[in-house]
Amino acid sequence: EAQVTQNPRYLITVTGKKLTVTCSQNMNHEYMSWYRQDPGLGLRQIYYSMNVEVTDKGDVPEGYKVSRKEKRNFPLILESPSPNQTSLYFCASRSYRGEKLFFGSGTQLSVL
Amino acid sequence: AQKITQTQPGMFVQEKEAVTLDCTYDTSDQSYGLFWYKQPSSGEMIFLIYQGSYDEQNATEGRYSLNFQKARKSANLVISASQLGDSAMYFCAMRGPYYGQNFVFGPGTRLSVLP
Repeated sequence: EAQVTQNPRYLITVTGKKLTVTCSQNMNHEYMSWYRQDPGLGLRQIYYSMNVEVTDKGDVPEGYKVSRKEKRNFPLILESPSPNQTSLYFCASRSYRGEKLFFGSGTQLSVL
Repeated sequence: AQKITQTQPGMFVQEKEAVTLDCTYDTSDQSYGLFWYKQPSSGEMIFLIYQGSYDEQNATEGRYSLNFQKARKSANLVISASQLGDSAMYFCAMRGPYYGQNFVFGPGTRLSVLP
Protein backbone atom coordinates (compact mmCIF):
# COMPACT_ATOMS: atom_id res chain seq x y z
CA GLU A 1 0.00 0.00 0.00
CA ALA A 2 1.34 3.43 -0.98
CA GLN A 3 1.80 5.48 2.14
CA VAL A 4 3.71 8.04 4.12
CA THR A 5 4.52 6.81 7.61
CA GLN A 6 5.17 9.21 10.46
CA ASN A 7 6.21 8.30 13.96
CA PRO A 8 5.34 8.87 16.69
CA ARG A 9 1.67 9.80 16.46
CA TYR A 10 1.76 11.65 19.79
CA LEU A 11 4.75 13.05 21.63
CA ILE A 12 5.03 14.94 24.88
CA THR A 13 8.41 16.31 25.81
CA VAL A 14 10.05 19.03 27.88
CA THR A 15 11.81 22.18 26.81
CA GLY A 16 15.32 21.58 25.53
CA LYS A 17 15.17 17.82 25.12
CA LYS A 18 16.19 16.89 21.59
CA LEU A 19 13.69 14.88 19.59
CA THR A 20 13.27 13.42 16.12
CA VAL A 21 10.05 12.76 14.24
CA THR A 22 10.53 10.17 11.54
CA CYS A 23 8.94 10.17 8.10
CA SER A 24 9.19 7.44 5.49
CA GLN A 25 7.48 6.96 2.11
CA ASN A 26 7.33 3.86 -0.05
CA MET A 27 6.39 5.50 -3.35
CA ASN A 28 9.88 6.43 -4.53
CA HIS A 29 8.89 10.10 -4.42
CA GLU A 30 11.56 12.70 -5.04
CA TYR A 31 9.85 15.49 -3.12
CA MET A 32 9.26 15.42 0.62
CA SER A 33 8.28 18.18 3.00
CA TRP A 34 7.31 19.01 6.56
CA TYR A 35 4.44 21.22 7.70
CA ARG A 36 3.14 22.42 11.00
CA GLN A 37 -0.54 23.08 11.54
CA ASP A 38 -1.74 25.69 14.01
CA PRO A 39 -5.31 26.90 14.56
CA GLY A 40 -6.22 29.80 12.30
CA LEU A 41 -2.98 29.54 10.36
CA GLY A 42 -3.51 26.42 8.30
CA LEU A 43 -0.43 24.43 7.33
CA ARG A 44 2.89 26.17 7.06
CA GLN A 45 5.88 24.63 5.36
CA ILE A 46 8.94 24.08 7.54
CA TYR A 47 11.43 22.41 5.20
CA TYR A 48 11.30 20.57 1.93
CA SER A 49 13.58 18.33 -0.10
CA MET A 50 13.64 17.86 -3.84
CA ASN A 51 15.89 14.79 -3.68
CA VAL A 52 18.62 13.05 -1.67
CA GLU A 53 21.00 15.53 -0.03
CA VAL A 54 18.93 18.47 -1.34
CA THR A 55 16.98 20.36 1.30
CA ASP A 56 15.71 23.92 1.60
CA LYS A 57 13.89 26.14 4.03
CA GLY A 58 10.18 26.70 3.89
CA ASP A 59 8.29 29.52 5.53
CA VAL A 60 8.94 28.66 9.20
CA PRO A 61 12.30 26.85 9.48
CA GLU A 62 13.58 28.39 12.73
CA GLY A 63 14.23 25.80 15.42
CA TYR A 64 14.07 22.82 13.07
CA LYS A 65 16.55 20.69 11.16
CA VAL A 66 16.09 18.04 8.50
CA SER A 67 18.22 15.60 6.58
CA ARG A 68 17.67 13.54 3.45
CA LYS A 69 20.30 10.82 3.35
CA GLU A 70 17.99 8.29 1.72
CA LYS A 71 15.22 8.90 -0.77
CA ARG A 72 12.55 7.30 1.37
CA ASN A 73 13.31 9.02 4.70
CA PHE A 74 13.03 12.64 5.77
CA PRO A 75 13.30 13.05 9.55
CA LEU A 76 12.45 16.29 11.35
CA ILE A 77 14.79 17.19 14.19
CA LEU A 78 14.11 19.59 17.02
CA GLU A 79 17.43 20.02 18.79
CA SER A 80 16.13 22.23 21.60
CA PRO A 81 12.34 22.23 21.55
CA SER A 82 10.44 25.16 23.01
CA PRO A 83 6.75 25.49 23.96
CA ASN A 84 6.01 27.53 20.82
CA GLN A 85 6.80 24.42 18.80
CA THR A 86 3.78 22.67 20.26
CA SER A 87 1.82 21.88 17.13
CA LEU A 88 0.49 19.21 14.78
CA TYR A 89 3.16 18.18 12.31
CA PHE A 90 2.67 16.59 8.91
CA CYS A 91 5.12 15.00 6.56
CA ALA A 92 4.16 14.83 2.88
CA SER A 93 5.61 13.55 -0.36
CA ARG A 94 4.92 13.61 -4.07
CA SER A 95 6.65 12.57 -7.25
CA TYR A 96 8.60 15.28 -9.07
CA ARG A 97 5.95 15.78 -11.72
CA GLY A 98 3.02 14.72 -9.60
CA GLU A 99 0.33 17.06 -8.44
CA LYS A 100 -1.06 15.40 -5.38
CA LEU A 101 0.65 15.62 -2.02
CA PHE A 102 0.48 12.42 0.00
CA PHE A 103 0.35 13.13 3.71
CA GLY A 104 1.38 11.15 6.73
CA SER A 105 -1.09 10.72 9.58
CA GLY A 106 0.43 13.55 11.60
CA THR A 107 2.36 13.92 14.84
CA GLN A 108 0.84 15.88 17.71
CA LEU A 109 3.75 17.39 19.63
CA SER A 110 3.45 19.03 23.02
CA VAL A 111 6.48 20.78 24.50
CA LEU A 112 6.10 21.53 28.20
CA ALA B 1 4.73 35.70 -2.79
CA GLN B 2 1.86 33.30 -2.94
CA LYS B 3 -1.06 33.60 -0.57
CA ILE B 4 -4.33 31.77 0.00
CA THR B 5 -7.32 33.40 1.67
CA GLN B 6 -10.29 31.55 3.09
CA THR B 7 -12.68 34.06 4.58
CA GLN B 8 -15.13 31.63 6.16
CA PRO B 9 -13.74 30.27 9.45
CA GLY B 10 -16.87 28.17 9.94
CA MET B 11 -19.96 27.23 7.98
CA PHE B 12 -23.14 25.25 8.52
CA VAL B 13 -25.13 23.41 5.88
CA GLN B 14 -28.20 21.24 6.03
CA GLU B 15 -27.78 17.63 5.02
CA LYS B 16 -28.47 17.01 1.29
CA GLU B 17 -27.99 20.66 0.41
CA ALA B 18 -25.12 22.06 -1.66
CA VAL B 19 -22.46 24.27 -0.09
CA THR B 20 -19.70 26.50 -1.48
CA LEU B 21 -16.44 27.06 0.37
CA ASP B 22 -14.61 30.18 -0.71
CA CYS B 23 -10.96 30.40 -1.67
CA THR B 24 -9.08 33.28 -3.24
CA TYR B 25 -5.41 33.23 -4.08
CA ASP B 26 -2.67 35.65 -4.93
CA THR B 27 0.24 34.86 -7.19
CA SER B 28 2.23 36.51 -9.94
CA ASP B 29 3.00 33.17 -11.58
CA GLN B 30 1.24 32.10 -14.76
CA SER B 31 1.57 28.40 -14.02
CA TYR B 32 0.27 27.08 -10.73
CA GLY B 33 -1.96 24.43 -9.25
CA LEU B 34 -4.87 24.68 -6.84
CA PHE B 35 -5.97 21.99 -4.42
CA TRP B 36 -8.56 21.24 -1.82
CA TYR B 37 -7.90 18.95 1.11
CA LYS B 38 -10.30 17.68 3.75
CA GLN B 39 -9.28 17.10 7.36
CA PRO B 40 -11.83 15.17 9.43
CA SER B 41 -11.70 15.12 13.20
CA SER B 42 -9.36 12.12 13.05
CA GLY B 43 -6.70 14.48 11.70
CA GLU B 44 -5.60 12.97 8.41
CA MET B 45 -5.33 15.08 5.27
CA ILE B 46 -7.49 13.78 2.43
CA PHE B 47 -6.97 15.04 -1.14
CA LEU B 48 -10.23 16.10 -2.77
CA ILE B 49 -9.62 17.88 -6.03
CA TYR B 50 -6.99 19.60 -8.21
CA GLN B 51 -7.16 22.37 -10.79
CA GLY B 52 -4.27 23.45 -12.99
CA SER B 53 -4.00 27.08 -13.98
CA TYR B 54 -4.15 26.20 -17.67
CA ASP B 55 -7.08 23.82 -17.36
CA GLU B 56 -10.03 25.27 -19.21
CA GLN B 57 -12.64 23.05 -17.63
CA ASN B 58 -13.54 23.19 -13.96
CA ALA B 59 -12.35 20.10 -12.13
CA THR B 60 -14.91 17.64 -10.76
CA GLU B 61 -14.51 14.60 -8.53
CA GLY B 62 -17.77 12.94 -7.63
CA ARG B 63 -19.73 15.33 -5.39
CA TYR B 64 -16.87 17.83 -5.41
CA SER B 65 -16.34 20.48 -8.03
CA LEU B 66 -13.94 23.37 -8.17
CA ASN B 67 -15.34 26.66 -9.45
CA PHE B 68 -12.22 28.16 -11.02
CA GLN B 69 -12.40 31.84 -11.95
CA LYS B 70 -8.94 32.77 -13.07
CA ALA B 71 -9.52 36.49 -13.62
CA ARG B 72 -10.93 36.81 -10.12
CA LYS B 73 -8.27 34.49 -8.69
CA SER B 74 -10.82 32.35 -6.98
CA ALA B 75 -11.04 28.57 -6.61
CA ASN B 76 -14.18 27.82 -4.66
CA LEU B 77 -15.07 24.27 -3.66
CA VAL B 78 -18.64 23.18 -4.24
CA ILE B 79 -19.95 20.13 -2.41
CA SER B 80 -23.23 18.88 -3.74
CA ALA B 81 -25.73 16.90 -1.66
CA SER B 82 -23.90 17.33 1.66
CA GLN B 83 -23.57 14.30 3.92
CA LEU B 84 -22.94 14.12 7.65
CA GLY B 85 -19.51 12.70 6.87
CA ASP B 86 -18.60 15.93 5.11
CA SER B 87 -18.27 17.66 8.48
CA ALA B 88 -14.57 18.52 8.61
CA MET B 89 -11.97 21.22 8.14
CA TYR B 90 -11.33 22.11 4.51
CA PHE B 91 -8.08 23.62 3.26
CA CYS B 92 -7.44 25.36 -0.02
CA ALA B 93 -3.84 25.16 -1.20
CA MET B 94 -1.67 26.30 -4.09
CA ARG B 95 1.59 25.05 -5.51
CA GLY B 96 4.10 27.16 -7.36
CA PRO B 97 4.99 27.04 -11.04
CA TYR B 98 6.37 24.11 -12.96
CA TYR B 99 5.87 21.54 -10.23
CA GLY B 100 7.60 23.90 -7.87
CA GLN B 101 8.38 22.93 -4.36
CA ASN B 102 6.36 25.57 -2.58
CA PHE B 103 2.91 24.62 -1.37
CA VAL B 104 0.91 27.31 0.42
CA PHE B 105 -2.21 26.53 2.45
CA GLY B 106 -5.07 28.72 3.55
CA PRO B 107 -6.26 28.91 7.18
CA GLY B 108 -9.12 26.52 6.54
CA THR B 109 -12.92 26.48 6.80
CA ARG B 110 -14.69 24.26 9.31
CA LEU B 111 -17.84 22.83 7.75
CA SER B 112 -20.59 21.39 9.91
CA VAL B 113 -23.37 19.41 8.25
CA LEU B 114 -26.63 19.45 10.18
CA PRO B 115 -29.06 16.49 10.11
